[in-house]
Amino acid sequence: DGGITQSPKYLFRKEGQNVTLSCEQNLNHDAMYWYRQDPGQGLRLIYYSQIVNDFQKGDIAEGYSVSREKKESFPLTVTSAQKNPTAFYLCASSRQAFYGYTFGSGTRLTVV
Amino acid sequence: EDKVVQSPLSLVVHEGDTVTLNCSYEVTNFRSLLWYKQEKKAPTFLFMLTSSGIEKKSGRLSSILDKKELFSILNITATQTGDSAIYLCAVFIQGAQKLVFGQGTRLTINP
Repeated sequence: DGGITQSPKYLFRKEGQNVTLSCEQNLNHDAMYWYRQDPGQGLRLIYYSQIVNDFQKGDIAEGYSVSREKKESFPLTVTSAQKNPTAFYLCASSRQAFYGYTFGSGTRLTVV
Repeated sequence: EDKVVQSPLSLVVHEGDTVTLNCSYEVTNFRSLLWYKQEKKAPTFLFMLTSSGIEKKSGRLSSILDKKELFSILNITATQTGDSAIYLCAVFIQGAQKLVFGQGTRLTINP
């Protein structure tokens, strides 16, 4: 079955550590996106990529980094520079964003 | 700056009531407006609207877009406890090729 897989579902890290969230899709979609969601809030765009080896900053990119070396994969690294990293992270992909996204099931990151 | 604003942010009603959720937007290059329902994890797609005045309907849910006044509404009639969720409105920005989301409306349906 085609879809997006995010792993892990839950992640706990100590303050000051970098952590990488995985996002893999087998839908042959060109575009991939990372969003952050805080409790009771909407989604805020962190980074997005329209093609391999290219990506753009979203509205809240500070403290995050990404890579897009393969079409299927768009990992997100939450660095120690991110002041408040505890949140729910959603990855999405689209063939044409006009028709909406396919979402992964999310990773809940807790920094203690 | 592209902005999508939803209201109310939170709503509690009784089963059987009808609710209306609002979404207004100010964006540079509008292409379409989408509604999503989020229960636990990933948002699920409800509607995509591109033209003014044409109602989209799916069972008890319906939505309409007004491109002159820059807003959309999502109606849910005869609500059920299973309608409890966060409802997200998003606008697709042409050129930038991305969705900008509103803050969401948390809807709670009490039996």
